[in-house]
Amino acid sequence: DQQVKQNSPSLSVQEGRISILNCDYTNSMFDYFLWYKKYPAEGPTFLISISSIKDKNEDGRFTVFLNKSAKHLSLHIVPSQPGDSAVYFCAAPIVQGGSEKLVFGKGMKLTVNP
Amino acid sequence: NAGVMQNPRHLVRRRGQEARLRCSPMKGHSHVYWYRQLPEEGLKFMVYLQKENIIDESGMPKERFSAEFPKEGPSILRIQQVVRGDSAAYFCASSPSASRHYEQYFGPGTRLTVT
Repeated sequence: DQQVKQNSPSLSVQEGRISILNCDYTNSMFDYFLWYKKYPAEGPTFLISISSIKDKNEDGRFTVFLNKSAKHLSLHIVPSQPGDSAVYFCAAPIVQGGSEKLVFGKGMKLTVNP
Repeated sequence: NAGVMQNPRHLVRRRGQEARLRCSPMKGHSHVYWYRQLPEEGLKFMVYLQKENIIDESGMPKERFSAEFPKEGPSILRIQQVVRGDSAAYFCASSPSASRHYEQYFGPGTRLTVT
């Protein structure tokens, strides 16, 4: 039961261009979303988040957009840099089994070519 | 201020052996989560612990897996009689308080290979 879906496994973009990473969710109870970035052989690191009361959150080169009616969010990186090459996970906290935990998508591998 | 520490980083076990994975949370953090990442999959929640208490183990297989977070020392994820399907990356995360669960800080993971 995949409540958070990242349907594209990979994306390749040129340095300086925009990277758009998509995420869909099925649970309408989700009210907060996070993006994590993961380099090989490292743990995920928090990148940016958005509350469901907003439709946009911006932090430097990173912007997350939320479309609640479509149950869709996207992460925009502009301009993309080679150091952005990593796997990006979309996640949402859910209360289940008596506690709140994160539900992750499968991740998308972004490659930014110099 | 050290981050979340996990050791070993790589662990190879033969089928039927035991695997012990250790996690030291960030200083000041008393909430620990364990996640498992199978190949080509996202991270899946396993268990949530506070000091000396298992709060939620709903994501952990009922058999062979156990976790603890003692008063002193790291959190331990223990897998008994490992099978090939246990091969995965196991990540530990910690957070500072119960009210901010989603601010979880991850360790580098332990990659378990069962041969």
